[in-house]
Order: sequence, then C-alpha cells, then structure tokens
Amino acid sequence: QKEVEQNSGPLSVPEGAIASLNCTYSDRGSQSFFWYRQYSGKSPELIMSIYSNGDKEDGRFTAQLNKASQYVSLLIRDSQPSDSATYLCAVKGRSQGNLIFGKGTKLSVKP
Amino acid sequence: DTGVSQNPRHKITKRGQNVTFRCDPISEHNRLYWYRQTLGQGPEFLTYFQNEAQLEKSRLLSDRFSAERPKGSFSTLEIQRTEQGDSAMYLCASSAPGSGETQYFGPGTRLLVL
Repeated sequence: QKEVEQNSGPLSVPEGAIASLNCTYSDRGSQSFFWYRQYSGKSPELIMSIYSNGDKEDGRFTAQLNKASQYVSLLIRDSQPSDSATYLCAVKGRSQGNLIFGKGTKLSVKP
Repeated sequence: DTGVSQNPRHKITKRGQNVTFRCDPISEHNRLYWYRQTLGQGPEFLTYFQNEAQLEKSRLLSDRFSAERPKGSFSTLEIQRTEQGDSAMYLCASSAPGSGETQYFGPGTRLLVL
C-alpha cells in the first residue's frame, strides 16, 4: 500500500513567520512531488512541483525534496492570513498515472 | 486560458437514484483524472483516461461507478443506485503530456445523497 503521510495539524503561526509543512512517502520509486493548497469548500490549487533532490523556490514558497529519506517539505516565508488553508502533499509513482495524496495539514496564520 | 470545468457544481439526490457528472478538461490536455474527496481526507484516485482510453481504475470504483471519455475531450462519471456513502466532492483534473504531468483540478461537484 503506497502511502503519503502528513501531520494533520492544525499548525498555527503568527503573521510574518515561516511555516514549515512536512510530508513522507512510502514508495521509493516515486518521481514527482506536488504541493497543493485547498481552501475550505474549494478544490486543490497547485502551488509547487519538485522532481529532483534539493530546494526549489517560487516567491515565498520553497519546496525541499530528499529522496533518500523519502521526505518532502514546503516552507512558506512571510506567512499571511490569506495562506490559511489545508496544504496537500501529493506523490506520483514511476509507473502510475494518478497522484497519491496525504490527508493534508491545516495551516492557520494569525494576524 | 480556460481551466478545468465541472458540472453540476452541486447535486442533491435521494438514495437509489442515478447521477451523472461532467468534466471538461483544459484544451490540449490528453489525460483526465477523477478523484473523490471526503471531509478531512485527501483526494482519492478513482480512474483516469489518456485520450479516450481508460487506463487505470481504482478498487474504490465499484460496479455502480462508470466513467467515459468517448471522444477524448470531456468525460462523464455516472453513479448508479447512489448510497449515502457516496456523498463526497468529486474532483476532475487534467494534465498535458510531459512537464511532469502536473494535474490541474476543476472546482469539483459536491454530491449529497439523502
């Protein structure tokens, strides 16, 4: 059973702080990794994709991948109240078309 | 650039009725995916198409569920003899070949079975 694990939270950070979201996955053959943001009652919205070990930065967001540790993380710098949402980690294996999602981490950014 | 669209956005039905949902992918996206999401869970994969071919089906997709993509463009997901346990958000996503096959989601169809 291929699994993606996330801490469900809630993770609460003050406005302007760095939020750190973590994700582990079980399938060592996984090759593509994604972070989606989901506001309550809405559908997932893509934030970042990452495919190789290391860091990938896009504005206030940095995704980090460590395939040896089977670990993906998302850092959000200068957190804003509008970042308050559930963040979903998703993993795609080498031979499959679909994504496997974690249950999501709920982030709350306090003004 | 038009995103993924889904209709209807909301559906309330009585147990035992059949329902059908439609998904229109981003144009030029050859892959189309269906997921189901319940409260507090991440999306769970149901099935996906590459063009008109249905390539993979989850064990979650019971015999009451059927999906089609007859011309490789829009897709329909039908649930026959609905049960209360079918109440969920049904999400459609599409992806283009290459580019890591990033999947873009539609707004979803929220189903409530009474």
